Amino acid sequence: DAEITQSPRHKITETGRQVTLACHQTWNHNNMFWYRQDLGHGLRLIHYSYGVQDTNKGEVSDGYSVSRSNTEDLPLTLESAASSQTSVYFCASSEEGAAEAFFGQGTRLTVV
Amino acid sequence: GQNIDQPTEMTATEGAIVQINCTYQTSGFNGLFWYQQHAGEAPTFLSYNVLDGLEEKGRFSSFLSRSKGYSYLLLKELQMKDSASYLCAVLNTGGFKTIFGAGTRLFVKA
Repeated sequence: DAEITQSPRHKITETGRQVTLACHQTWNHNNMFWYRQDLGHGLRLIHYSYGVQDTNKGEVSDGYSVSRSNTEDLPLTLESAASSQTSVYFCASSEEGAAEAFFGQGTRLTVV
Repeated sequence: GQNIDQPTEMTATEGAIVQINCTYQTSGFNGLFWYQQHAGEAPTFLSYNVLDGLEEKGRFSSFLSRSKGYSYLLLKELQMKDSASYLCAVLNTGGFKTIFGAGTRLFVKA
């Protein structure tokens, strides 16, 4: 079965370190998204991609970067982790056009 | 600006009907989604409305009024397993970004 997987599921890192969260989907979807979820804010869009070599900033992109070298993967990098980036991160993918998103199981990141 | 509003929490009784409202103001509109999210899990798709009216799918129905910027999710014959957060989300025009509301936590009591 096609799926979308995130790794790691849990991560603790120190302030200032670079961290990369992985997202891999086997649906062959062109659209991929990264969200963070914090209490009281719901899901907020960090970055998104509509295809290979395409990346775009979302509403809370400062301090984050993504790259899309193939269809299956959209890794999210925190250049220099800050305590404000402690959150649950969700990756999602969808088909081209208006379609529902399929979400990964999430990565709980704690920055100490 | 973009704004999606929904109640923070609701409580309902097993077997009853509950309506979760969502109002939105967005820079573009290409449809509205409802997702369900159980605690500690990923959101899962419930419904998608792009035209005005009611879409029914089993115990769940979703309504949209584009002129009023309003939607609701109706859950019938509530079950304990329906205790979850329900996320209202708008698909923007000019791309296929989905913008989410903060979610409504529904507690179903016996």
